Amino acid sequence: QKEVEQDPGPLSVPEGAIVSLNCTYSNSAFQYFMWYRQYSRKGPELLMYTYSSGNKEDGRFTAQVDKSSKYISLFIRDSQPSDSATYLCAMSALSYGGSQGNLIFGKGTKLSVKP
Amino acid sequence: DAGVTQSPTHLIKTRGQQVTLRCSPISGHKSVSWYQQVLGQGPQFIFQYYEKEERGRGNFPDRFSARQFPNYSSELNVNALLLGDSALYLCASSFSGEETQYFGPGTRLLVL
Repeated sequence: QKEVEQDPGPLSVPEGAIVSLNCTYSNSAFQYFMWYRQYSRKGPELLMYTYSSGNKEDGRFTAQVDKSSKYISLFIRDSQPSDSATYLCAMSALSYGGSQGNLIFGKGTKLSVKP
Repeated sequence: DAGVTQSPTHLIKTRGQQVTLRCSPISGHKSVSWYQQVLGQGPQFIFQYYEKEERGRGNFPDRFSARQFPNYSSELNVNALLLGDSALYLCASSFSGEETQYFGPGTRLLVL
């Protein structure tokens, strides 16, 4: 079993839809959870960062962490064509990967938002 | 402000050759991490350097090596290239390695 599982999609939604992206993980030591957005031929860009369980909201984006279920989610409200990208979950036992810099990523989910 | 820069953007090599990839971190950042992203997969951690010292190493063979220079730029070297080394190689920088990592655009390596 991989440490982090993420459905690669692709996921296609109409503009304005609510998008739900998810990851599951097996390592109970993970405490720091991140979502990155990666446009084609670009490097990943940090979207959301959460520590331990709970919710965090930033504009149209909401990140949820359920450590008891080892399940994290990213919700995008009022999705726009500019949200079309690959969304990667990443996690670590230490803050931002700690001094070892070691983030464990999911495979990424490719999202397409149609006008 | 310039973000993380990487060179070259694209590279084609043949099996058995050696390659050197370069990374310049964001000004003021002292830590650089390297990741390999195979098509259809998430990035996989290779190395982290801070103040020219190796702080972390992922599960990669000894054919992979790296170093960090006094100006905090970094090089990733891969010897005896295999077809499976074809990937996007990403560099990320942060102040000390314990904050947000900012990624560069990557170097796309194709091994034929």
